[in-house]
Amino acid sequence: DQQVKQNSPSLSVQEGRISILNCDYTNSMFDYFLWYKKYPAEGPTFLISISSIKDKNEDGRFTVFLNKSAKHLSLHIVPSQPGDSAVYFCAASGDGGGADGLTFGKGTHLIIQP
Amino acid sequence: EPEVTQTPSHQVTQMGQEVILRCVPISNHLYFYWYRQILGQKVEFLVSFYNNEISEKSEIFDDQFSVERPDGSNFTLKIRSTKLEDSAMYFCASLGVPTSGPHEQFFGPGTRLTVL
Repeated sequence: DQQVKQNSPSLSVQEGRISILNCDYTNSMFDYFLWYKKYPAEGPTFLISISSIKDKNEDGRFTVFLNKSAKHLSLHIVPSQPGDSAVYFCAASGDGGGADGLTFGKGTHLIIQP
Repeated sequence: EPEVTQTPSHQVTQMGQEVILRCVPISNHLYFYWYRQILGQKVEFLVSFYNNEISEKSEIFDDQFSVERPDGSNFTLKIRSTKLEDSAMYFCASLGVPTSGPHEQFFGPGTRLTVL
């Protein structure tokens, strides 16, 4: 039962261009959405998040867009840099305060080409 | 910058043995979590812990698993009798007091558990 889906296992983007990573979800009870970045042999690192009451959140080169009616969110990275090459996980949480565990997608491996 | 630490980085055990995975969450954080990632699969929630008791647990977290905060700094995951399918990367995470904003859990580097 995939409540959070990342349908692209990998994405290759040229350095300097925009990277767009997509995520879909099925559970209407999700209230918060987060993006994590993961390098090999490390734990996931928090990147950016968005509440379900917003449709956009921006932090430097990273912007997350939420389309609640379509149950879709996307992460935009612009401009893409070589250090952005990593696996990106979309995650979702309910409104149960800190008790809720995060539900993760399978991840998208982003490769930034020089 | 404060971080979550985990020991050991790699644990090899025989099927049926008990293992204890250790984590030191970020001090002053109040919520603690364990997740696992089987090779090639997604990160899966196991359990959350707050105020010295389990807050939520997934269906994966059966009677073979237990968690404990034995002192003011450590948070442990015990697997009583390991099975081959318990082989995975286990991540600990912690969270400060959640506000009305998104819940940014901070993850440790993980412990790779190999069950032979």
